[in-house]
Amino acid sequence: EAQVTQNPRYLITVTGKKLTVTCSQNMNHEYMSWYRQDPGLGLRQIYYSMNVEVTDKGDVPEGYKVSRKEKRNFPLILESPSPNQTSLYFCASRLTGNQPQHFGDGTRLSIL
Amino acid sequence: QQQVKQSPQSLIVQKGGISIINCAYENTAFDYFPWYQQFPGKGPALLIAIRPDVSEKKEGRFTISFNKSAKQFSLHIMDSQPGDSATYFCAASTGYGQNFVFGPGTRLSVLP
Repeated sequence: EAQVTQNPRYLITVTGKKLTVTCSQNMNHEYMSWYRQDPGLGLRQIYYSMNVEVTDKGDVPEGYKVSRKEKRNFPLILESPSPNQTSLYFCASRLTGNQPQHFGDGTRLSIL
Repeated sequence: QQQVKQSPQSLIVQKGGISIINCAYENTAFDYFPWYQQFPGKGPALLIAIRPDVSEKKEGRFTISFNKSAKQFSLHIMDSQPGDSATYFCAASTGYGQNFVFGPGTRLSVLP
């Protein structure tokens, strides 16, 4: 089954404790992206990747890091999480830039 | 110029009625306009999409109307059903790179 898998689905942690949210896709897609979803703001892109070892900032990259060492994986790293990063996060992938995006089911992060 | 505006923020429709959600954009480089449907606890899923070489696209009860000169597009849901109750996002993208921008979303409630 074609899918984007994120883990964990839920996480409560404390300020400053490094965390990683994993994302994996099995569709051999070139593009992968991370979004955060906040009420009234829709989906805002954090980082995206157009291929292995090619990543770039989206609209709200501050406080986040990503890596793309393999085509299927695109982890999101919060080196020193802060409460303003409490949000619902989605990983997405698409075949090329102008194709439908496939989303994971989301990761709800709470930073205390 | 990257922004996509969406209205209304919320919409209540009786079963069997027509739901209409409107979006507007500024960037004339956008050439792909998808609509996503999101249920609670799930990631957004592609509903229907249009490219600017056509003015309308219909798939079942869902229709996109596209007005290139006005830089507007809309989603029409005919014969709305309670199962259509969800949040709907319009989006716009260019053929290359990170430009995949979402509107803030419309929460649709269809009353039985």
